[in-house]
Amino acid sequence: EVQLVETGGGLIQPGGSLRLSCAASGFTVSSNYMTWVRQAPGKGLEWVSVIYRGGSTYYADSVKGRFTISRDNSKNTLYLQMNSLRAEDTAVYYCARVLPAVGPGWWFDPWGQGTLVTVSS
Amino acid sequence: QTVVTQEPSFSVSPGGTVTLTCGLSSGSVSTSYYPSWYQQTPGQAPRTLIYSTNTRSSGVPDRFSGSILGNKAALTIAGAQADDESDYYCVLYMGSGISVFGTGTKVTVL
Repeated sequence: EVQLVETGGGLIQPGGSLRLSCAASGFTVSSNYMTWVRQAPGKGLEWVSVIYRGGSTYYADSVKGRFTISRDNSKNTLYLQMNSLRAEDTAVYYCARVLPAVGPGWWFDPWGQGTLVTVSS
Repeated sequence: QTVVTQEPSFSVSPGGTVTLTCGLSSGSVSTSYYPSWYQQTPGQAPRTLIYSTNTRSSGVPDRFSGSILGNKAALTIAGAQADDESDYYCVLYMGSGISVFGTGTKVTVL
């Protein structure tokens, strides 16, 4: 079964750092594009970052320079390193596999269950 | 800053049909944006409904369909059921590694 499980969320003070993990089973992380999406409490979904098979990475402007997406092929795990955290980063963070469309586009499936990050003093 | 707009809410009667749209603050949505649609119920992860404009994901009932209507992507729910009451989000592929989610539509079935 294809599955993603996020861990690493919690309460962190503004300015702090946190690393989220997303363990995959049923497929190989390094053979796929992978993405992070977040959802602030009571708000909509927001795309955060993507990592390509070849290692290229892209970020939303809201997190660029503060967040880093990476993976550990030996652990089949995706990561999101979050630095200089702000109150507005408070959200449930989801990881998802990126599946290619016929052409340059893509879509997201499956999704993990999410992990909550709360940035507060 | 690209904004992808969706209707904030829709109400539909059981058995009725509703069409949600996904537009751009500037410009038209076409198949080149590879629109996809996701359903989310409170406290749950999103579920993929439609990708590449009009392809249903595995296991999605055929009462869900995707299309381009005018200058927007559209998701139509035909024969709405009580468990279709959810939030619905579109995503547009903007190129250069960037995706943008729509603002989301809350669908109520009553």
